[in-house]
Amino acid sequence: QSALTQPPSASGSPGQSVTISCTGTSSDVGSYKYVSWYQHHPGKAPKLMIYEVSKRPSGVPDRFSGSKSGNTASLTVSGLQAEDEADYYCSSYAGSNIVFGGGTKLTVL
Amino acid sequence: QVQLQESGPGLVKPSETLSLTCIVSSGSISNHYWSWIRQPPGKGLEWIGYIYYSGTTDYNPSLKTRVTMSVDMSKNQFSLKVSSVTAADTAVYYCARGYGYSWVALDYWGQGALVTVSS
Repeated sequence: QSALTQPPSASGSPGQSVTISCTGTSSDVGSYKYVSWYQHHPGKAPKLMIYEVSKRPSGVPDRFSGSKSGNTASLTVSGLQAEDEADYYCSSYAGSNIVFGGGTKLTVL
Repeated sequence: QVQLQESGPGLVKPSETLSLTCIVSSGSISNHYWSWIRQPPGKGLEWIGYIYYSGTTDYNPSLKTRVTMSVDMSKNQFSLKVSSVTAADTAVYYCARGYGYSWVALDYWGQGALVTVSS
């Protein structure tokens, strides 16, 4: 059982928006601004999409955005594209430790 | 573009020590934190710990007694050892680099190495 809770799956049609949630506790997501999101195409290296809740590394499209409210963080993918189909994982600083979510498989219909 | 590649035995016997090395290319190991993460089959990701290029380490409390990390700046690589392994240590093991001066976000990852613990 993962420390952070994510829905196992999410889906949307091309051009639509989809939001993936990541629920933790007051010991991790709720207490720190250090939430990250990763995109993982199976067999490839995971890719950092969002760090510090809402910041995007250079090269990540602005279609990807992050936010947080209380103990729940969210990743929103706008203008869905076929290449966005992948597994997405959230992570949070938890006091000298990093905890991850179980992952959400995003399907582009 | 920085590239990371995990290497090591794919099969380890129970009670023995798992050893993996991460080779860093197209970038220096200096001034960064380097982490190991694993993913057991069908499960989520688990952070194992980090090593700073200077040798400072911090490990996941749940694995602390069995984990050792080291860095070899001359070879631009760092390593992981997990002792007294059991079937629960079977996983894909990833190495990754801390983003900027942080260890909390990880910007470059290896493709992962499957390690199976079995007799």
